[in-house]
Amino acid sequence: DGGITQSPKYLFRKEGQNVTLSCEQNLNHDAMYWYRQDPGQGLRLIYYSQIVNDFQKGDIAEGYSVSREKKESFPLTVTSAQKNPTAFYLCASSMWRRSNSPLHFGNGTRLTVT
Amino acid sequence: GQQVMQIPQYQHVQEGEDFTTYCNSSTTLSNIQWYKQRPGGHPVFLIQLVKSGEVKKQKRLTFQFGEAKKNSSLHITATQTTDVGTYFCAGYNTNAGKSTFGDGTTLTVKP
Repeated sequence: DGGITQSPKYLFRKEGQNVTLSCEQNLNHDAMYWYRQDPGQGLRLIYYSQIVNDFQKGDIAEGYSVSREKKESFPLTVTSAQKNPTAFYLCASSMWRRSNSPLHFGNGTRLTVT
Repeated sequence: GQQVMQIPQYQHVQEGEDFTTYCNSSTTLSNIQWYKQRPGGHPVFLIQLVKSGEVKKQKRLTFQFGEAKKNSSLHITATQTTDVGTYFCAGYNTNAGKSTFGDGTTLTVKP
């Protein structure tokens, strides 16, 4: 089955620690995205990547970092600089970004930082 | 920057009643997408509207794109308990080069 795999489903960290969220897709999609979702709010774009070895900041990139070394993988690191990291993180992919192809989402990672 | 407002934030209906959520953009959109997120789940793509005044139907769901391409609506006829979840619109603006999601409308259906 083709799809997007995010791991882990739940993640707990102490304040001041960096943490990396995994996202892998086998849909052969060019573009990948990271969104953050807070209760009662929509999805806010953190970072996106259209091709390997290239990525752009979204609306709320501060305190986050990404890499795109392989087409299939787009890990997100939540750094200690992110002031309010507890949230639901969603990874998505699409065929190619310019035409605004539909987004396919992973199951998400719920991060709790205490 | 581009803003997408979605109303209402919450809607509680009795099973069998109709439901509508509205999406309004501060800028003209190239297209708009609608997603559904079940409780505890992830957003799932429902449909994309591209043309001014476009209307599309999926069984009991009717999607409309405004003439000015700045607003859209999703209407569900005769809701069922399986319709529960949060419905998001996402507006794409070519100049901005990205989509902006509305905050969603959370639908609960009382059997």
